[in-house]
Amino acid sequence: NAGVTQTPKFRVLKTGQSMTLLCAQDMNHEYMYWYRQDPGMGLRLIHYSVGEGTTAKGEVPDGYNVSRLKKQNFLLGLESAAPSQTSVYFCASSQQDYLEQYFGPGTRLTVT
Amino acid sequence: AQSVTQLDSQVPVFEEAPVELRCNYSSSVSVYLFWYVQYPNQGLQLLLKYLSGSTLVESINGFEAEFNKSQTSFHLRKPSVHISDTAEYFCAVKSSGTYKYIFGTGTRLKVLA
Repeated sequence: NAGVTQTPKFRVLKTGQSMTLLCAQDMNHEYMYWYRQDPGMGLRLIHYSVGEGTTAKGEVPDGYNVSRLKKQNFLLGLESAAPSQTSVYFCASSQQDYLEQYFGPGTRLTVT
Repeated sequence: AQSVTQLDSQVPVFEEAPVELRCNYSSSVSVYLFWYVQYPNQGLQLLLKYLSGSTLVESINGFEAEFNKSQTSFHLRKPSVHISDTAEYFCAVKSSGTYKYIFGTGTRLKVLA
């Protein structure tokens, strides 16, 4: 049981480049989330999904897109990366919306 | 709107001393409350949670937290800390009727020998 996995672990992008972060969970959870973590700001919700084929905006969605084509996967896309998107990105999943979230190990992204 | 405040960004404490990490929340509806711990270069792990029932909840490694509805608080305590407790601790709140969790800005606990 791998839990929540994220790919890649590290990435360096130039301004304007695009990339996709992949999150996968093997716990059959309905709910999945993408957060970014910046020093002194805690975790901020980017987008979330309440089930396969659904997505919704979180607190800081601008510059990001997501897709949930399969229940176990939640993809986060950056179409045109900006230095302000330098951060650590965490994916999480939960069985019910009021239960605890299980987090992946994170992706450290640097945009130069 | 819901919010979470962790007033202490850093808490240094000597080994075997007690510690309290403070968390206050704001919500107009009923809430579910969580404490997560993050070790360096890792994701967050659940430490303990309050969903309903007893207002005092405990973790397997000696931490406890008490839900105080009148003071809208969920402070985390441990009577005797170990070096291995050095980590960042996040309080989170989820209000009923919303899918979103709100995380505090974190408290960095540093246990000194």
